[in-house]
Amino acid sequence: ESVLTQSPGTLSLSPGERATLSCRASQSVSSSYLAWYQQKPGQAPRLLIYGASSRATGIPDRFSGSGSGTDFTLTISRLEPEDFAVYYCQQYGSSPLTFGGGTKVEIK
Amino acid sequence: QVQLQESGPGLVKPSETLSLTCTVSGASISSSSYYWGWIRQPPGKGLEWIGNIYYSGSTYYKPSLKSRVTISVDTSKNQFSLKVSSVTAADTAVYYCARRPRRIAAAGNDAFDIWGQGTMVTVSS
Repeated sequence: ESVLTQSPGTLSLSPGERATLSCRASQSVSSSYLAWYQQKPGQAPRLLIYGASSRATGIPDRFSGSGSGTDFTLTISRLEPEDFAVYYCQQYGSSPLTFGGGTKVEIK
Repeated sequence: QVQLQESGPGLVKPSETLSLTCTVSGASISSSSYYWGWIRQPPGKGLEWIGNIYYSGSTYYKPSLKSRVTISVDTSKNQFSLKVSSVTAADTAVYYCARRPRRIAAAGNDAFDIWGQGTMVTVSS
C-alpha cells in the first residue's frame, strides 16, 4: 500500500500570498496518477488536479500541480478568501487507492 | 448535471450491518465510461477509499475491508449500494459515493470527479 504523507499539516497564510503544499509517496506513483482535492467544512471533497498537473473542469488557473515519482506539489499562486480549506492528495495508480492526511490552509 | 445522493440509516448498532445507497441522476450508471465508488471520512480525520464497482458488477475493494464490505449495482434504479457487516465504532464516519471515470491510456483522468454530499453514519448502541 502506498502511504502518502502531506506537509505541512497546517499552513497559515494571508490572502494574496502563495501556498505550496507537499505530498510524498512511500512508493513511486505510476504514470503520475496523483490527484488533489479541496474540502471545506461540511462539504464533500472537490477535484482540483488529476494526473499530477491537469486542472479539473472549472478550476481556476491559480491552482497548479507538479511532480512525479514520489514527490508532488500543489501550488496556489495567490490565495483568495475561498481557498482557505483542507487539501488532500490521492494516488490512484495502484490498489488500494490511498489519500494523504491533508494540509489545512488557514487564514493568518 | 450529474448528481450523486447517498441515503440510508444514520445510526447502526455494533455488530450489525451498515447499508447505504447512492442514487445517480443526470447520467446512466450503465455507462461503460465510469466506475462508481465509496469513500469514508471519520469525524475530524482523513479520507479512506472503500471500494469501486463497474456497471457490469465487477468490484474492487480495499484489502483490509474486503471481508466485511459488499458493493452492488442496480442498473434498473440507477443506484449502487454499500454494505459493511459487523460494524464497530471505528466504522463511524461520513460516507461518500463518487464517480470515477474509466482510465484512458495514461491520461491520469480517472480520479474521483463527482462526489455526493455525504451521509453521516454513527455506530452506537
